[in-house]
Amino acid sequence: DTEVTQTPKHLVMGMTNKKSLKCEQHMGHRAMYWYKQKAKKPPELMFVYSYEKLSINESVPSRFSPECPNSSLLNLHLHALQPEDSALYLCASSRGLAGGSDEQYFGPGTRLTVT
Amino acid sequence: QQQVKQSPQSLIVQKGGISIINCAYENTAFDYFPWYQQFPGKGPALLIAIRPDVSEKKEGRFTISFNKSAKQFSLHIMDSQPGDSATYFCAASRRNYQLIWGAGTKLIIKP
Repeated sequence: DTEVTQTPKHLVMGMTNKKSLKCEQHMGHRAMYWYKQKAKKPPELMFVYSYEKLSINESVPSRFSPECPNSSLLNLHLHALQPEDSALYLCASSRGLAGGSDEQYFGPGTRLTVT
Repeated sequence: QQQVKQSPQSLIVQKGGISIINCAYENTAFDYFPWYQQFPGKGPALLIAIRPDVSEKKEGRFTISFNKSAKQFSLHIMDSQPGDSATYFCAASRRNYQLIWGAGTKLIIKP
């Protein structure tokens, strides 16, 4: 099973809402990633978890809060977002933390719209 | 020095033709060069990757050519098919550092 699953597929939220994005993988990977992707742009790294510990936070605003409850699950908690946060949010996983040299498997993404 | 420059931004190729996308980098410490394919509404998927100890890697119709001295690498898609229409991203990284992505190329294969 080489699949990374993400829920929900689409999410529309107001600027005062709190919502969460979920990601799951069962490949035994120990590194998990959140990326943000705007239209016609490459993915932009937000967070990296390695062995369930946050190892990289790319200066992401505090309205985005990641959580890694166990080695298979990754959440992204959203609160008080801005319209410019509307994007495709991608989760990825890789075997370990060899950084980008490990093949990263991406999920299908959550299309987030902030109104 | 951390950038990866990708060209062209968009490319239209006739079915059966060869699609060529180019990338250039500056950081000689990079040691891993993957290409990702992304269809609309989907996440990127690793297509093929190369390390600088080889000059070419082929997987089916997809070939990466790597020129270490010129700090360039390219993706060639032979016998391009309409199903190859997607956005392609090159990237580069080195051990324990994250991927640096190119800007992407939107490829359209005309039937």
